[in-house]
Amino acid sequence: QKEVEQNSGPLSVPEGAIASLNCTYSDRGSQSFFWYRQYSGKSPELIMSIYSNGDKEDGRFTAQLNKASQYVSLLIRDSQPSDSATYLCAVSDYGGSQGNLIFGKGTKLSVKP
Amino acid sequence: DVKVTQSSRYLVKRTGEKVFLECVQDMDHENMFWYRQDPGLGLRLIYFSYDVKMKEKGDIPEGYSVSREKKERFSLILESASTNQTSMYLCASTPDSNYGYTFGSGTRLTVV
Repeated sequence: QKEVEQNSGPLSVPEGAIASLNCTYSDRGSQSFFWYRQYSGKSPELIMSIYSNGDKEDGRFTAQLNKASQYVSLLIRDSQPSDSATYLCAVSDYGGSQGNLIFGKGTKLSVKP
Repeated sequence: DVKVTQSSRYLVKRTGEKVFLECVQDMDHENMFWYRQDPGLGLRLIYFSYDVKMKEKGDIPEGYSVSREKKERFSLILESASTNQTSMYLCASTPDSNYGYTFGSGTRLTVV
């Protein structure tokens, strides 16, 4: 059974701090990695994608990938209360059906003013 | 931007009713998916389709069926609704897994 593991949280950080969200995955062949943000009662929204080892930055967000360790992380700099949401990690299902992603259960982030 | 539209935001149905949830995407994506999401259980894949008239069972297909008569439309059918099918239902589409999914806004279904 292919799995994506995330700490469920809640992860609580003060406003302005760096929030660090982590994810490990079991499918060594996975090629594509994504972070989704989901506000309470809303649907997931894609915020970052990463395909190669290293860091990818987009504004206050940085995704980090280490395929050897099967580890993906998301850093949120200068965290704002509006960043409070559940963050879902997803990885491509290598060898599985075309187009499929495997999702973690999400980490709930709370940014305190 | 890709739009994935789910026909209803909130639905209340009675036990035993046949329920149709509709999903339409406007970007000619081959792959479409239906998930349900429940607290503590994450996203669970019900059915997916990678082409017109094609369908594949996901992890929890029991009690559900799907229809994909046109490329842009993927319907989820609850044959006889039960209270344990009360959930948030999410539709998603993608051209392939390298692009990630675009989700619809979700349908909150309550079966009473």
